[in-house]
Amino acid sequence: QQQVKQSPQSLIVQKGGISIINCAYENTAFDYFPWYQQFPGKGPALLIAIRPDVSEKKEGRFTISFNKSAKQFSLHIMDSQPGDSATYFCAALGGAGGTSYGKLTFGQGTILTVHP
Amino acid sequence: DAGITQSPRHKVTETGTPVTLRCHQTENHRYMYWYRQDPGHGLRLIHYSYGVKDTDKGEVSDGYSVSRSKTEDFLLTLESATSSQTSVYFCATISQGGNTEAFFGQGTRLTVV
Repeated sequence: QQQVKQSPQSLIVQKGGISIINCAYENTAFDYFPWYQQFPGKGPALLIAIRPDVSEKKEGRFTISFNKSAKQFSLHIMDSQPGDSATYFCAALGGAGGTSYGKLTFGQGTILTVHP
Repeated sequence: DAGITQSPRHKVTETGTPVTLRCHQTENHRYMYWYRQDPGHGLRLIHYSYGVKDTDKGEVSDGYSVSRSKTEDFLLTLESATSSQTSVYFCATISQGGNTEAFFGQGTRLTVV
């Protein structure tokens, strides 16, 4: 039972293009939605995160768009660079008051390749 | 890597043997997690802990047990290893309150033959 569904599984874009990765969740008790970036042989590292009271958050070339009513959120990478080639994971953290409090659930991951 | 150490980093074991993986953190974080990472499945939660002696199951807990006798250590035990448990295992921690960034260890590559 996958509580966070991520798509696409893989994505190829040209340098300078926009990369878009989408996630959908089911549990309304989630209250924190981070995106992680992972390079081969390394553990994931936090890229950017958002809380459900905000519809958009931007940090440099990375933007999260959040749609609470649709229970969906997405990562946009503007001006994609070859150095952005990595695996990206969305995640959701259970908030206070729910049975999944403190439970951090990940999506299936997206392998992004940016061609020069 | 925020003071998270996984040991061993690599292990090959035989089917049917018990295996214990260790996660040690120096950050005094309250929450600790064990994930396995497999191609096409992403990071799947095995077990997590929200305090000393407080643990709960994740989505793929069958065949695994955990223990947390002190804040800094979270042990994952494969009671009787099977080939389907061949995977890369990651430990993660989150501090209590405010900052909810998860920090990950470097991973343990386990091969069950």
